[in-house]
Formats: sequence, C-alpha cells, structure tokens
Amino acid sequence: EVQLVESGGGLVKPGGSLRLSCAASGFTFSNAWMSWVRQAPGKGLEWVGRIKSKTDGGTTDYAAPVKGRFTISRDDSKNTLYLQMNSLKTEDTAVYYCTTSRGSDCSSTSCSVDYWGQGTLVTVSS
Amino acid sequence: AIRMTQSPSSFSASTGDRVTITCRASQGISSYLAWYQQKPGKAPKLLIYAASTLQSGVPSRFSGSGSGTDFTLTISCLQSEDFATYYCQQYYSYSTFGQGTKLEIK
Repeated sequence: EVQLVESGGGLVKPGGSLRLSCAASGFTFSNAWMSWVRQAPGKGLEWVGRIKSKTDGGTTDYAAPVKGRFTISRDDSKNTLYLQMNSLKTEDTAVYYCTTSRGSDCSSTSCSVDYWGQGTLVTVSS
Repeated sequence: AIRMTQSPSSFSASTGDRVTITCRASQGISSYLAWYQQKPGKAPKLLIYAASTLQSGVPSRFSGSGSGTDFTLTISCLQSEDFATYYCQQYYSYSTFGQGTKLEIK
C-alpha cells in the first residue's frame, strides 16, 4: 500500500523558514517523480513544484509564486522528500500535500496524481 | 503558465441528475488532463486521467471527454456521495489546477 506521510508544518513568522518532510513507502521511491501541491484555507489546489527521479535527471521545477524561495529535494536512501521554504509570506499559508504518480500517465514535465499524503498545515503569521 | 478555467464555479443538483462540468485551457494541452474529487478535510481523489480514462475503482457513472483546450467531466446519475468539489488539472506543461467546481445538494 502506498503511503505518503508529511511532517514539519507549523506556525512561522513572515520572512522565516520551514522544512517539510514526506516519508514514502509502498512503492519504489527512487523511480518516482514527486511533487508538492498546496491548498490555502477555503481555496483551490495549487501546484508548488516537482522533482524527477535521478534516472530522469533529478531536475526540479517550480510554480512562479515560489520560485527562488522554495527548494524541493529528495533522499532516496531514506525514501524521503523535502520542501525547504524560505522567505515565507502570509500568502504561503496552506495545507501542503506530498504527491506522486504511478508513472503511467505523464508528459515530459509532469504527471497526473495517483497518491496524496494527508497534508501538513503551514501558517505564516506574525 | 497555462491557465485552467472551470465552469460553473458552483451549482446545485439533485440525486439522480446528470451533470456536466467544463474545463478550458488557455492553450492546447493535448489529452494531458485529469479530474479530481475533493471532500471537506480530505485529500483529493483521482477520477479521470488522460482526459477520458477512468481511474481504477471509480464508478462508471463518471466519464471524461475532450482534447486540446476544451474538456468535460460528466456524472451520469448523481449519488449522495458525489456532492463534493471537483478540480481539473493540466500536466502538459508543468501543472496547473482549475479553480474548482463545488457541487451542492439542491
């Protein structure tokens, strides 16, 4: 059974930093493209960014609102995905979901999302 | 970035109704389009991928169609458990979600 368990959320002041983690199990993590998706309270879904598998280059891409502030990384030895968030703004307040795909339905840049974690809440407020 | 526009943003329907939600992309995305259902406090659930392929385990009353820029999600006979918010997602060029369509009980 695929499991994605996020951790690291909490309250942080504007301008601060936070690192989220996502522990993955039930699939071959090293082969998977992994993404973060967020949802502000009462709002819709927003793609944050993606990291490809190392065999596919391990490259990262980000949505415009977070580019230059957020960094996605992975540790395949620990089956763990990370999201380093710096220079946080109040508009970054959201539930952050770790997501992945079975890999059978992808373009050259992204995939549909088969699996979602339960989400972790990040609140940016003074 | 590719923009995804869903319509309507919300609407009311009754159990047994046939409903259609539309999603329009700001540029062509081939068939790289997925649909999700989300209930309050829960993570989204994949319903349809590649515009028209039903995800395993999803009831056959859900169907998707379209390619290029215009797509639809149809629920043929609404059940009580279908009242939720629905999102489309393009994954042709990175990824973008529509703003969501909230389906409420009339």
